[in-house]
Amino acid sequence: SAVISQKPSRDICQRGTSLTIQCQVDSQVTMMFWYRQQPGQSLTLIATANQGSEATYESGFVIDKFPISRPNLTFSTLTVSNMSPEDSSIYLCSARNTGELFFGEGSRLTVL
Amino acid sequence: KNEVEQSPQNLTAQEGEFITINCSYSVGISALHWLQQHPGGGIVSLFMLSSGKKKHGRLIATINIQEKHSSLHITASHPRDSAVYICAVGGLQGGSEKLVFGKGTKLTVNP
Repeated sequence: SAVISQKPSRDICQRGTSLTIQCQVDSQVTMMFWYRQQPGQSLTLIATANQGSEATYESGFVIDKFPISRPNLTFSTLTVSNMSPEDSSIYLCSARNTGELFFGEGSRLTVL
Repeated sequence: KNEVEQSPQNLTAQEGEFITINCSYSVGISALHWLQQHPGGGIVSLFMLSSGKKKHGRLIATINIQEKHSSLHITASHPRDSAVYICAVGGLQGGSEKLVFGKGTKLTVNP
């Protein structure tokens, strides 16, 4: 089992600014992921956070917009850069160990 | 078209009722997950299934691999069960394990 702490839980941001979301897992996990959930939609994978190397981004997501760090097996950050109202979403950190899934509480971002 | 379809999209029940949420998928899978999302956005994993049936408290999940279908049942439903229930299937895509999520079923249990 793993417990994921994610912060901030919510924030209201101004257009053009950037925000970094932190994800801390209470145990070492092999895989960490970042998802976006737009209002009324299902989860969309942004990228897989790779420990010690560049993240693997899904189609439609780029490193300049969503830089990700994963310095070790328990921590990762996602930055949403140069935000616009279209970036208003819930951002979720997730981890997987031996197939079992764990999620953070989500970060609800509102961009004005 | 989403490869994972859930039904119903919305469900309202009275406390004590038996609840069934369905999930159909079209892709080959290695495992199917049932997740619960609370109003604040946090997600809890309820079950991971690759065959058969699992039970945890009042929750039961079944999967039929041949029919590509899974159900989540809640017995003796309670207002605290009110949440969005999400089905996700995992399978190999492009050489790596990927998850495909359904859009969720919003359950409201009234006292």
